[in-house]
Amino acid sequence: DAKTTQPPSMDCAEGRAANLPCNHSTISGNEYVYWYRQIHSQGPQYIIHGLKNNETNEMASLIITEDRKSSTLILPHATLRDTAVYYCIVRRETSGSRLTFGEGTQLTVNP
Amino acid sequence: SAVISQKPSRDICQRGTSLTIQCQVDSQVTMMFWYRQQPGQSLTLIATANQGSEATYESGFVIDKFPISRPNLTFSTLTVSNMSPEDSSIYLCSVDMGGLAGIHEQFFGPGTRLTVL
Repeated sequence: DAKTTQPPSMDCAEGRAANLPCNHSTISGNEYVYWYRQIHSQGPQYIIHGLKNNETNEMASLIITEDRKSSTLILPHATLRDTAVYYCIVRRETSGSRLTFGEGTQLTVNP
Repeated sequence: SAVISQKPSRDICQRGTSLTIQCQVDSQVTMMFWYRQQPGQSLTLIATANQGSEATYESGFVIDKFPISRPNLTFSTLTVSNMSPEDSSIYLCSVDMGGLAGIHEQFFGPGTRLTVL
């Protein structure tokens, strides 16, 4: 699985968009980009995933660059409950394979 | 989605003893995993729990220290054996739906917080 690089921490004002970057320059053609988050003292929660096209669901949007070497997770209107560690993970298949967690980004949403 | 429960939710144990953690899923799943999260750190995969056969362990983890059972498609146990303070961590169970009903993400249990004195 390709390695990912994320900033260790970010801050965001409540109600504003939170844009979390991730570099995965060694990603291969059959690897997906997954995002999970972990709110303090809870198990990780799936957010979104994509291969090459941009994706959107009820939680977030995922923007993947054309060369697939980086991506951005967008929380359009951050709330205090979005404060968590966000993990960007590159995964070989869509299912059945392991998740390799990096250090993630601690996002703090401020009132 | 899958609802996962773990028992116990937390425990404080003496060094040299063993603790068995249970993971129960509300539906049959193809794959189950066990992770460890040491204080202030990210998650590390311990092993894949295989139904009806021996677990597959990651580098640095061995069966004698972390024996795993998976008797059916909804249940697994992880034992932390001969514990030392370095085993103090959160242990998490996760499941993969294997693409059933178009679900490709992994779901995680709430974790078991273990403190070894």
